[in-house]
Amino acid sequence: DIKMTQAPSSLSASVGDRVTITCRASRNIDIFLNWYQQKPGEAPKLLIHAASRLHTGVPSRFSGSGSGTDFTLTISSLQPEDFATYSCQQSHSTPYTFGQGTKLEI
Amino acid sequence: EVRLVESGGGLVKPGGSLRLSCAASGFIFNYYSMNWVRQAPGKGLEWVASVSSSGESIYYADSVKGRFTISRDNAKNSLFLQMNSLGDEDTGIYYCVKWTGAVTGTGRLDDWGQGTQVSVSS
Repeated sequence: DIKMTQAPSSLSASVGDRVTITCRASRNIDIFLNWYQQKPGEAPKLLIHAASRLHTGVPSRFSGSGSGTDFTLTISSLQPEDFATYSCQQSHSTPYTFGQGTKLEI
Repeated sequence: EVRLVESGGGLVKPGGSLRLSCAASGFIFNYYSMNWVRQAPGKGLEWVASVSSSGESIYYADSVKGRFTISRDNAKNSLFLQMNSLGDEDTGIYYCVKWTGAVTGTGRLDDWGQGTQVSVSS
């Protein structure tokens, strides 16, 4: 199975900050990497697929990059509604696997 | 608007069984693979199982293989998860999730239900 490791596990930031979260795969997954956002008490939502493609309706302050084993999710200017937990997931092969999540706090 | 509504969760004793259901609407159900993803209390997301649009191809996480069975009824726009031999480690919220794209490659979990709680405890 492909292991996904995110860093950091938690992060404190302020409104307006630029934030980067990293995700590393245990082997080459090409660009087959998705990012999700989850707020407390809610279901996850897809943000980015295929490493860098913004899902419909997602604000342009979110961006993704990377290929192979190393990926990043960047929020260019944090908004109050962005404080949430972010998870990466590989779609290269089954079993699909997720990172452990990064909790972004104020 | 895509709508996925799970039901069937509850409290069950270790070794017991539950059958989860998911009613889908707002999209052409038989065009898409469907998945179950779960989340233990305070933990991250764990993919559980996937079924192709036709129901012919099925995949499971090792942690549930042999105990859980995913199925679908395209005539009724419904997804199911039969869970047997439940243990404490199966406690969590179970989400019904639509998959768009190839099974492997640029596919993604793009629409999620609100989840149903499964609690395994004596």
